[in-house]
Amino acid sequence: KAGVTQTPRYLIKTRGQQVTLSCSPISGHRSVSWYQQTPGQGLQFLFEYFSETQRNKGNFPGRFSGRQFSNSRSEMNVSTLELGDSALYLCASRPGLAGVMEGYNEQFFGPGTRLTVL
Amino acid sequence: GESVGLHLPTLSVQEGDNSIINCAYSNSASDYFIWYKQESGKGPQFIIDIRSNMDKRQGQRVTVLLNKTVKHLSLQIAATQPGDSAVYFCAERPDSNYQLIWGAGTKLIIKP
Repeated sequence: KAGVTQTPRYLIKTRGQQVTLSCSPISGHRSVSWYQQTPGQGLQFLFEYFSETQRNKGNFPGRFSGRQFSNSRSEMNVSTLELGDSALYLCASRPGLAGVMEGYNEQFFGPGTRLTVL
Repeated sequence: GESVGLHLPTLSVQEGDNSIINCAYSNSASDYFIWYKQESGKGPQFIIDIRSNMDKRQGQRVTVLLNKTVKHLSLQIAATQPGDSAVYFCAERPDSNYQLIWGAGTKLIIKP
């Protein structure tokens, strides 16, 4: 099976612009999560989508949004970019939502999109 | 490749030696813990997990130890190889919310 793919791999934007990142999960996986990774903050959970619905959301401002399509592909959008949005954005997929008693070892990450805001 | 962090704690280990990576977690109610490995230019990759009702779990060349008394988690890698060079993250799942809380990561460097 092909792994999780993310496009583009690298992106340079200026403050105030908006950006859309794309994620294609592993075939058959219906859950897609997004994370922001920065040197100072580590991995921060953004949101998780399942069956085209946002199921969980982290503590990020409303400038960060996402959506999922019927084929499970997902996009995230950041509007009015700020310098602090520079980060590696990671997408992870898994077959379904993890219940309270289930583990996370089935979560597969893509290589990420490196966003630089100038 | 990608650099996931310029100011990470770093552990340098001689090739062939055992590595021990430590992690302090924050929530005494966390019921599940996981270790991920992230190589340069790649996303994190699952290594091993452990539930709070266990204090040790072994995988292939890796062992995770959990000490709930002091909220400490460690990852032991036996006979470290060049391919083990990566940033290692621990993560915990608080009992009331199944989203993971990730640690800052430790960079493992293998000396030839």
